[in-house]
Amino acid sequence: AQSVTQPDIHITVSEGASLELRCNYSYGATPYLFWYVQSPGQGLQLLLKYFSGDTLVQGIKGFEAEFKRSQSSFNLRKPSVHWSDAAEYFCAVPAGNQGGKLIFGQGTELSVKP
Amino acid sequence: GAGVSQSPSNKVTEKGKDVELRCDPISGHTALYWYRQRLGQGLEFLIYFQGNSAPDKSGLPSDRFSAERTGESVSTLTIQRTQQEDSAVYLCASSRQVLGLAGGYNEQFFGPGTRLTVL
Repeated sequence: AQSVTQPDIHITVSEGASLELRCNYSYGATPYLFWYVQSPGQGLQLLLKYFSGDTLVQGIKGFEAEFKRSQSSFNLRKPSVHWSDAAEYFCAVPAGNQGGKLIFGQGTELSVKP
Repeated sequence: GAGVSQSPSNKVTEKGKDVELRCDPISGHTALYWYRQRLGQGLEFLIYFQGNSAPDKSGLPSDRFSAERTGESVSTLTIQRTQQEDSAVYLCASSRQVLGLAGGYNEQFFGPGTRLTVL
């Protein structure tokens, strides 16, 4: 069955520093992969998605993610973090041939130090 | 345009009471999803509606949970005889038809959620 693992529950980075959030997936075929962000009191917002093609995907707010099939990973990166990036980040994959429902990782909470 | 809206934003209820949560999807979105997010957890799928097809109820945790959707509009999630373990944020999302014309999944747009607290 499809699954998503986000190994880091909480990460703290300094403002201006680079960021990498890890996501590992288990999927039977070439996966569709998503990163969502949830700011306090807000719903989830899609940051970026991978379906096929170029393995480096650009998203909103300066985020990017790289699909690495050999490592079953889809890590999220940002070269320079801003204080407003503090939020919870979720990686997700579709549940397979079961409609559009998504399977989410446990989430990584990002704190940003001034 | 308007996004997905949910009401109420917060709901506090006593154990054993029934609650009804409402979701207004984006106009024209044929797919609608309910997810549950317990404190410190990821999202758990509950139920999925796609057009006139039978809903996928595979994520509902017990028969105390049910949901309805009228056509391609409003959906309500009902929890009967609430228990403390039902306390969570309930999120609704909608999308255009699941698979886009060029393949791939259409983006799910999420509402702000309803925070349910069962005392």
